[in-house]
Amino acid sequence: DAGVIQSPRHEVTEMGQEVTLRCKPISGHNSLFWYRQTMMRGLELLIYFNNNVPIDDSGMPEDRFSAKMPNASFSTLKIQPSEPRDSAVYFCASSLSRAFGESNQPQHFGDGTRLSIL
Amino acid sequence: SQQGEEDPQALSIQEGENATMNCSYKTSINNLQWYRQNSGRGLVHLILIRSNEREKHSGRLRVTLDTSKKSSSLLITASRAADTASYFCATAIRDSGYSTLTFGKGTMLLVSP
Repeated sequence: DAGVIQSPRHEVTEMGQEVTLRCKPISGHNSLFWYRQTMMRGLELLIYFNNNVPIDDSGMPEDRFSAKMPNASFSTLKIQPSEPRDSAVYFCASSLSRAFGESNQPQHFGDGTRLSIL
Repeated sequence: SQQGEEDPQALSIQEGENATMNCSYKTSINNLQWYRQNSGRGLVHLILIRSNEREKHSGRLRVTLDTSKKSSSLLITASRAADTASYFCATAIRDSGYSTLTFGKGTMLLVSP
């Protein structure tokens, strides 16, 4: 079975450029999560969607970050304009919640996008 | 601040030895999950233990949960070089209304042949 698919795997760009990260969750999963991982701060939840609706975006660092989920099989995380401090590995994860707010299901992670902003 | 904190930060053992990692958390939880991350890859779910459970086994993995001490441990028995990875605990906060998890910073395990 296909797992969570993220693209690109690596992105190197210059400060000020727009960056778009993409995620295809596991088919049938109704919850999608975007995380950022750095050595200093560990794994941080950026935003959480349930049935394509953003539920909690309190982890989004600032207005330069935006996320969308236009349908059940696709999500994007956009940074505009990008800054060197945005350099990190960005993960997308999905899970199947049988009831809203249920947390007794594992999350399935993609292999991440390693983002470097010069 | 982190909800889950793993201890130790790093652990180096020989193949065949057991590895024990600990996790402490601050608020009441619905469940606690352990994940593994190999270098350059995403996290992989290992095991979930609910707040009303005290111990759970899966193959060479044994997880315990002590809600009175707000702590959990992950034991890997008869370790193999392939167990080399970072291990994270993640907590689902009780009554949060969300399906979200809060991850610790992880324990880096090195198993030498």
